[in-house]
Formats: sequence, structure tokens, C-alpha cells
Amino acid sequence: GEDVEQSLFLSVREGDSSVINCTYTDSSSTYLYWYKQEPGAGLQLLTYIFSNMDMKQDQRLTVLLNKKDKHLSLRIADTQTGDSAIYFCAEKSGYKLSFGAGTTVTVRA
Amino acid sequence: NAGVMQNPRHLVRRRGQEARLRCSPMKGHSHVYWYRQLPEEGLKFMVYLQKENIIDESGMPKERFSAEFPKEGPSILRIQQVVRGDSAAYFCASSLYQGAGLDTEAFFGQGTRLTVV
Repeated sequence: GEDVEQSLFLSVREGDSSVINCTYTDSSSTYLYWYKQEPGAGLQLLTYIFSNMDMKQDQRLTVLLNKKDKHLSLRIADTQTGDSAIYFCAEKSGYKLSFGAGTTVTVRA
Repeated sequence: NAGVMQNPRHLVRRRGQEARLRCSPMKGHSHVYWYRQLPEEGLKFMVYLQKENIIDESGMPKERFSAEFPKEGPSILRIQQVVRGDSAAYFCASSLYQGAGLDTEAFFGQGTRLTVV
């Protein structure tokens, strides 16, 4: 089955690190993704990780994957006000993406 | 290379009317996917199309909803006799290839926000 869960809200101070967590259930997932959605906008692909990797770093973004526990996290270093958005975790099996409900990240000064 | 283009961005329909949502995939992409986002929920898969073919419509409601991706022109998601519960954001995505592997990432449009009054 496909069931992706994430916490709904995260508040972080500007300059601190943000960590968004996600759990998924489909062990056959080949790729796991993080998308960002700003108000009224579409989804922007932030980063992805292949299921045989443990970690991927891309500038301020670090993705950690624990395949045994089916746990995925996204760390944003030095969080800025422009990082305020909804972040969606998604797993891909075949061509189909299954999304979590999204984590609303609020960056406060 | 323009991204995935959806129009209209906002659509208001009265109950019982028809809604037609359009999606032009990225240039060169022949795989199109429609997703629906209900308020405060994640996106749910609706349908996967290639040119002139529906590959997987397992996420489409059985009645009133249909989708097409003709040889020429955009993909269309059509909702007949809309009801209040159809109010949602409808997102289209396209990919160069499908499945797992390189160049299979789905790129999303900005969505059409349908409001049924």
C-alpha cells in the first residue's frame, strides 16, 4: 500500500536548521522526493534520493534515508524567510507518486 | 523551455456545470499525470496518459471525470456536473520518460484551483 506521513507544522528561527521528517510504507519505492509549494504556486522539485542511498547533500539541503525504518528526512541549513512554504515528501513506485499531507514550515525572525 | 503550463489558474463553476482544465506538458514530454489536492491534504494520483492513450486511470472517480491527451494540443481533464466536493487544486505533471531511472522526474504545473459554488 501507499501511505506517506509527515508532521503538519514546523516553526523555526531564521538562521537555524530545519528538519522535516517523513515515513512511508511502500518498500518497493525506487525514488523518494521532496517538493516545495509556496502559497498559490505549484510544486517545485527540491531534491530526490535513490532508494539505495543513505544520504544526499545539495547545498543547504541534506536528505537522509533509513530504508530499514522507512524514514526520510530533509534538513535545511541556515533557514531563510524564503524557505517558508509547505514541504511534501513523496515516494515513487513505478510512475506513480504518493504524497504526504505536507509540512508547513514557518520561519520567524 | 517553458515549464508545464496549466490554465486557467482559477476556475469558478456553479453546481451542475462542466469544468475543463488544460495542461500543456514541457516540450518533448509525452507522459502526463493529473493529481488532485484537497484542502490540507497531499496530492492524490488521478490518471496517467500518453499521447492518445490512457495508461492508468485508477485514481479517477468512476463518474463525471474524464481525461484525454490528444495527438495535438494540451491534455484536458473534464469534470461534468460539478459538485461542491470537486473543489480542489488540480495539478498536472509531465515527464520525459516514465518509471524509475534518469529523466523520469515529474515536473508540475502551477495548478488549477477549482471552486464550485
